[in-house]
Amino acid sequence: AQSVTQLGSHVSVSEGALVLLRCNYSSSVPPYLFWYVQYPNQGLQLLLKYTSAATLVKGINGFEAEFKKSETSFHLTKPSAHMSDAAEYFCAVSFGGYNKLIFGAGTRLAVHP
Amino acid sequence: DARVTQTPRHKVTEMGQEVTMRCQPILGHNTVFWYRQTMMQGLELLAYFRNRAPLDDSGMPKDRFSAEMPDATLATLKIQPSEPRDSAVYFCASGFSGGTNTEAFFGQGTRLTVV
Repeated sequence: AQSVTQLGSHVSVSEGALVLLRCNYSSSVPPYLFWYVQYPNQGLQLLLKYTSAATLVKGINGFEAEFKKSETSFHLTKPSAHMSDAAEYFCAVSFGGYNKLIFGAGTRLAVHP
Repeated sequence: DARVTQTPRHKVTEMGQEVTMRCQPILGHNTVFWYRQTMMQGLELLAYFRNRAPLDDSGMPKDRFSAEMPDATLATLKIQPSEPRDSAVYFCASGFSGGTNTEAFFGQGTRLTVV
């Protein structure tokens, strides 16, 4: 069965510091992997996606993620945090020819001055 | 600017009342999802449709929830009768599945409060 685990429900960083949000997946078939961001009282917005092309994926707002099959990971990073990055981040997996997305529990990112 | 539109954005209702939430998917998308978000359970997939046909509604309480797509431009999620435990944010998302997997685009959600 496919599943996603996000390590750390809350992450706090200083403005300008590296952001690292962890995601591990379980999938019996080659996965498609996604990171979404949710701002308060908003829907989910796609940050980036991996669909079996380049393993290092660049997304919007300076975020990127690297697919590591050996580690079954898809961690999200950003070199320098900005106050506007404070939000909840969700990792998701889908598989096969379907769009059905299975989400992790989410990680709330706080950025302090 | 193509987007998924959900109505209403907020709904407060009394226990036992019927609630209908509506979703207009992005034009041309052939897959529609309904998710429910709560603090306790996170994002749960309730149901999804491909080309207006239900593919999976195993996440939905069958006794009170129903989901339909009367046409390609409208998806509905109905709760009858509603209960306080149904209080949550309900998201509709749409996507296109034509052999290559793509992401889902989310609406702004309907925040439902059942009192």
